[in-house]
Formats: sequence, structure tokens, C-alpha cells
Amino acid sequence: EPEVTQTPSHQVTQMGQEVILRCVPISNHLYFYWYRQILGQKVEFLVSFYNNEISEKSEIFDDQFSVERPDGSNFTLKIRSTKLEDSAMYFCASSVRVGGLEQYFGPGTRLTVT
Amino acid sequence: QQQVKQSPQSLIVQKGGISIINCAYENTAFDYFPWYQQFPGKGPALLIAIRPDVSEKKEGRFTISFNKSAKQFSLHIMDSQPGDSATYFCAARWGAQKLVFGQGTRLTINP
Repeated sequence: EPEVTQTPSHQVTQMGQEVILRCVPISNHLYFYWYRQILGQKVEFLVSFYNNEISEKSEIFDDQFSVERPDGSNFTLKIRSTKLEDSAMYFCASSVRVGGLEQYFGPGTRLTVT
Repeated sequence: QQQVKQSPQSLIVQKGGISIINCAYENTAFDYFPWYQQFPGKGPALLIAIRPDVSEKKEGRFTISFNKSAKQFSLHIMDSQPGDSATYFCAARWGAQKLVFGQGTRLTINP
């Protein structure tokens, strides 16, 4: 069964450093998303991406964040100048079509900022 | 207005019992209501979902009940099993893309 994959599973970085989290969405999906889950809290929407551009973003997704689809399979989240409060699980998700109801989540990348 | 409130925060049910998790929302612009199951260290997995024009949806042991007038929906797990022990999130779709999640319910099924 096709699934969303994410790498790395765990990333440790120092405050102020840049990190890139990588995702491979399900191959025939067209909409891509990043969500964040701070330990013990709810899952929060960060950004959605379609047709090589951001279609919606939350107030969390400020200028330190960017997303990119560098090729036909990968979808990345870049965090510039990480802060301690960026420590969280970051989940990538994808859905099959425009306005697709089902979003399928990857296993997540645990980001620890020290 | 883009909030989904979920209760209880934690729930303990005996094996074979019925687990019930409730969610409420305010904004009628939400148009799709999925439930996700999450095991420790894993991503949320889509469990079952409902649209607001339907009052109930059943898939195996899992049932969503939806009360549009009360702006509430709930997940019922019949014949709960220890393997159902996980965190459950309700969510609601805003616009075409964004999911707004509830706070989560940690469910423990005692054998």
C-alpha cells in the first residue's frame, strides 16, 4: 500500500542552524501539507502546497519557514535559524486531488533544537 | 472560530466495552470531519470520516455520529480491544485543504 515517507526520523540541531525536512508524498497525489505537533499537544497545520506554490499557510508559518518541491517526488520543509520552540514532530501529508478529502500522513520527523 | 474541542483528554475502558470520544465545533464552514488514530512515535492514520450531510457512518467497530444542529460529532468504538489503545484526534476541514485538529484523547483499553 502506498505511503508517505519522511526523512530523517530524528534530527537534532543547534539553535540558529538551518534544517531541511524531507518527504516523499504518495506518487499520484497532488496536494501536499506540513503539520507540526509539539510534544503532548494537538497537530497544527503549517502549510499546504499545490501546483508548485503555497496555497494556504498558518500564522505559525512565518518567514523562517519555506517549502519546496525540488523534483517530481520530494517535498521539503526548510526552517532557517531554528529556535528552541521549533522542537516538535513535523508531519508531511498528501491528498490525491484538489480538495481531496483524505489526507494521508507520514511517520513524522522529530526535530530537537538544542 | 477555527477550533475543535475534544473530550475527554484521557479515557480508560475495559476490553469489550464501548469507547466514546466527543468533539464540538463552532464554525459551520467546516465541511468534512475525519478521525485519526495515532500510536506512539507514528503519524496520525485516517480512521474514519464523515460529511455534515450524513448523521452516522459505520465502518466495522468504528462509528461516527454527527449532530449538525448541535455542532457535535463523536467516535464510538464498539467491543474495544487492547490494540485500540492509542491517541485519537478528531479534525475538521477548513476550506479545501486545512485540517483543524482537536486536542486528542488518550485511550487505554484494559484487558
